[in-house]
Amino acid sequence: GAVVSQHPSRVICKSGTSVKIECRSLDFQATTMFWYRQFPKQSLMLMATSNEGSKATYEQGVEKDKFLINHASLTLSTLTVTSAHPEDSSFYICSARRTGTVYGYTFGSGTRLTVV
Amino acid sequence: QKEVEQDPGPLSVPEGAIVSLNCTYSNSAFQYFMWYRQYSRKGPELLMYTYSSGNKEDGRFTAQVDKSSKYISLFIRDSQPSDSATYLCAMSEPGGTSYGKLTFGQGTILTVHP
Repeated sequence: GAVVSQHPSRVICKSGTSVKIECRSLDFQATTMFWYRQFPKQSLMLMATSNEGSKATYEQGVEKDKFLINHASLTLSTLTVTSAHPEDSSFYICSARRTGTVYGYTFGSGTRLTVV
Repeated sequence: QKEVEQDPGPLSVPEGAIVSLNCTYSNSAFQYFMWYRQYSRKGPELLMYTYSSGNKEDGRFTAQVDKSSKYISLFIRDSQPSDSATYLCAMSEPGGTSYGKLTFGQGTILTVHP
């Protein structure tokens, strides 16, 4: 089956530093990847849609300069949280959609980011 | 008003019970409907998907969509402790700039106790 690998699963960083999260589709090509943020006991909030080879599309209210997304290949997208602050602490999840499918979304296992 | 509303629960049922999970939505452009299951600190996994109105059954799970009422349901028969998780409904539009974007409900926390 389709597998999406997300790393790291957990990271603690100091305030003001940057953190990179990787999302890889292991056995399929993903033209489109999505990045979500999830607060405790709340739903997934879409942050941005990432298309291979083009700029990401950010949802309203998401700072594109703070959350840098790169989708350089059909199997890899990265989210970099720049100059992280404690309010950026959250659970970040990526999703990859298999090219040509409607329901073919596979989610990564998420990254727990804690900024101290 | 949120585009998708889902009762967050929590819902606690005995093993073997029938569980009913529901979502309502306001965007009439939604055509694709999905149910995901999420275990603690993990990414969601797809359980069921349906297109437009109708029913779909897969083992102990049945998904229903009523587009006229903008209401979708997931039924779990003979619930097991291993079904304990958060259940999220999700929807998307066909075509256009919103194609591919999933809109999630808040998630319902389900506990099935032995």
